[in-house]
Amino acid sequence: DSGVTQTPKHLITATGQRVTLRCSPRSGDLSVYWYQQSLDQGLQFLIQYYNGEERAKGNILERFSAQQFPDLHSELNLSSLELGDSALYFCASSPGTPPGTDTQYFGPGTRLTVL
Amino acid sequence: AQTVTQSQPEMSVQEAETVTLSCTYDTSESDYYLFWYKQPPSRQMILVIRQEAYKQQNATENRFSVNFQKAAKSFSLKISDSQLGDAAMYFCAYSTNAGKSTFGDGTTLTVKP
Repeated sequence: DSGVTQTPKHLITATGQRVTLRCSPRSGDLSVYWYQQSLDQGLQFLIQYYNGEERAKGNILERFSAQQFPDLHSELNLSSLELGDSALYFCASSPGTPPGTDTQYFGPGTRLTVL
Repeated sequence: AQTVTQSQPEMSVQEAETVTLSCTYDTSESDYYLFWYKQPPSRQMILVIRQEAYKQQNATENRFSVNFQKAAKSFSLKISDSQLGDAAMYFCAYSTNAGKSTFGDGTTLTVKP
């Protein structure tokens, strides 16, 4: 158990819908990262937050957005869902000083299925 | 843009033998960090080993060690005395001080009893 929690574990929805994935980092970690892993593929970095501020952005679609709240939990919002958005979405956290240099601890992921 | 290449989609090793997984990367940064992660069938991402680019000494964690060649931008993972539990997909990853991470496409390792 990495100490990072993600909810829900599984999510099934229809095209065109909007969903919110939630992540609680390890206690004391300031950085949160979001990744997308499509079937049998590597991880695509989406976005990183550090202490509430967006710090780095990867290949995140405009239909996707994220935020980190004052209590440091983070949410990833996916809207106008398409079939191709079906994937495993990982959240990771790290102490974050400086961001990107320390080990990321991954949550168990949220499996999103878009029908 | 940084890229990470794992040229071996699949590898297999006999139990108790040694196997090396390859990883190369491309970057213009001088300071960065490299990682190997393991993803077993449970899909949980588990850190195997980490290397700071400014350190010349290769990182070692029990049966896992790396061969870090900074000039060649190569970062291979050696697994000694392979065990059945080592079977998984292994990802090489690169991270910068700016917080952006790049992962390779992974190598699926099979361990034969």
